[in-house]
Parts: sequence; structure tokens; C-alpha cells
Amino acid sequence: GEDVEQSLFLSVREGDSSVINCTYTDSSSTYLYWYKQEPGAGLQLLTYIFSNMDMKQDQRLTVLLNKKDKHLSLRIADTQTGDSAIYFCAEKRYGGSQGNLIFGKGTKLSVKP
Amino acid sequence: GAVVSQHPSWVICKSGTSVKIECRSLDFQATTMFWYRQFPKQSLMLMATSNEGSKATYEQGVEKDKFLINHASLTLSTLTVTSAHPEDSSFYICSAIPPGQGAIEAFFGQGTRLTVV
Repeated sequence: GEDVEQSLFLSVREGDSSVINCTYTDSSSTYLYWYKQEPGAGLQLLTYIFSNMDMKQDQRLTVLLNKKDKHLSLRIADTQTGDSAIYFCAEKRYGGSQGNLIFGKGTKLSVKP
Repeated sequence: GAVVSQHPSWVICKSGTSVKIECRSLDFQATTMFWYRQFPKQSLMLMATSNEGSKATYEQGVEKDKFLINHASLTLSTLTVTSAHPEDSSFYICSAIPPGQGAIEAFFGQGTRLTVV
């Protein structure tokens, strides 16, 4: 199976909170990332969390990490239509090359007005 | 954040021709850049690591002779898809990591959509 798994779709209403979930398999992962990709565009780094942290908050974004269950989530508060995009979870493994981020397939977030 | 720029954003070429994609770090020097390939509705797969002044490091299964990488300066890496075929059609994305940040944050270009007809 995939090393990093995400649900493929999420639909929310504008103003609601969105929670995008991700599971990974390698307990040696050092950093975990969330990237945003808009249609036809590259990846935008949203936030990342070090593996010894449980939570990180940055404005509307909250990242929760459950290392025991290898579960990562991204919560977007007050979701706006501009948040519609594909969100990728990625892990950097200990000892891995700097560029070798392992990505999930991405969760497509649709925000309805 | 740091800026990584790719050119072109999209390109259509005929089978058998070669296509060059550029990746530039605009506000920092990058001794290492990374090339990814993204298939529709799939995650990104690392193709190769581009090293300034030396040979690129290719991931298993990536053809070195088909995907030529040149990292001639600290701000520019190029990926040339040689003798392109329709199965090479894909979205190619590069990334680089600014120095001095503990090699934590990777910044990506906007990607290049290659269509081979």
C-alpha cells in the first residue's frame, strides 16, 4: 500500500472548519509537511511540524500529530472559497535525502459558498 | 518564503523532439535542486537530485539518458526530456531548499505541464 495515505476528497461549506487527515507508516520520519496545490500550479508550503511536537498553530491552520498512531491532520478554521485546492501531506524520513519527501496522493478540498 | 521559478509553465511538443525545462531559485543559491514528476491524481515522485557542478543522482527506475539534468550554476537547474514520447506527458515540478534553515523547508516551482503529441 501507499506509504502516506490521505482521503481523496473533502467538501465543506464556507465558514466551516476543514479537517484533512493523513496517515504515514515510517516512525523514523523527522518532519511532516502540508502543501497546497492550486489547479495547474506548483506546491505551496503551508506548514510543517517536527516529529517531537504534538501540535502547531499558524493563524487559521492547526496541525495535530499523533506519533503513536502515525496520524497527521490539518485543520483549516473559517474555510474560504480560496482554500479550495489539493492538499498534500508529506514526510521526510530520517536519513533520507533532503529532497526525498514522500507524498500522499492529495486531498481535494472543495469549499461551497 | 523563498521563490523558485520554472519555465515554461506548459509546453506541447512532437514525439521525438527534446524539451528543456528550467528551474531557477530567484532569491537564494541552491547547490541542490530536486525534480519531481506528478501523474494525474497521483502524488509527486522524486526523479532525481540535481547537484551544482557535479552529476545528478537519479532515483531507481528513472532513465538517465532520457531525462538529462544540468545544474550549471547555483541558481539554475535544467531538465531536458530527450526524444519525448506521449508517455512522457506529465507535470514536472522542481524544488530547492534555501541554505541556513536546517534544510527543513523545500520550496517548489509552479510546475511545467508537458504534453507530447
